Amino acid sequence: GDSVTQMEGPVTLSEEAFLTINCTYTATGYPSLFWYVQYPGEGLQLLLKATKADDKGSNKGFEATYRKETTSFHLEKGSVQVSDSAVYFCALSGNTDKLIFGTGTRLQVFP
Amino acid sequence: DVKVTQSSRYLVKRTGEKVFLECVQDMDHENMFWYRQDPGLGLRLIYFSYDVKMKEKGDIPEGYSVSREKKERFSLILESASTNQTSMYLCASSFPTSGRTYNEQFFGPGTRLTVL
Repeated sequence: GDSVTQMEGPVTLSEEAFLTINCTYTATGYPSLFWYVQYPGEGLQLLLKATKADDKGSNKGFEATYRKETTSFHLEKGSVQVSDSAVYFCALSGNTDKLIFGTGTRLQVFP
Repeated sequence: DVKVTQSSRYLVKRTGEKVFLECVQDMDHENMFWYRQDPGLGLRLIYFSYDVKMKEKGDIPEGYSVSREKKERFSLILESASTNQTSMYLCASSFPTSGRTYNEQFFGPGTRLTVL
């Protein structure tokens, strides 16, 4: 079945460092891909999405490109802030209403 | 602003108790979801409802049931709580997917349930 694999955390960075969180997927057909973020004490919220190959999703300085050839959707940010500390979830939808989530990666950014 | 609310942020129950977790959304969404979130396992879908009185089992429905009598409200029921149901429970809602237009899921803040 469909699945999402993302890197183990925690990822610990200093403020203004470059961030990459890896995400790869297994799916039949052409899934849509997402990154959700969960700030401390809150539910998840959509960060960005891409619905077809080579699409780039972007929001709040974060970017991810849908790479069909490598079945990947890595999350990147050029300069992280303390306020970016959160848990990040990669997810896919096989064009149904359901999402399949990765295990989540905790990001800790220190001043 | 879409709002998904959950009845409690923290709940402590005893083994064998019947537990109700309530979720309410105010955006007239057809779809509602219950997930549990555990460290190292991510989010796992327990049940999904795509309309009033309609439900579909998710990946881990055992030990749970659901009720959707009104469009805005989706309840998760633990018939006889057990310690392995200690977890964070997240509710979400969305409009149905239409063609290739995926409709974002909106999440509530979660209920952290401890079963002693």
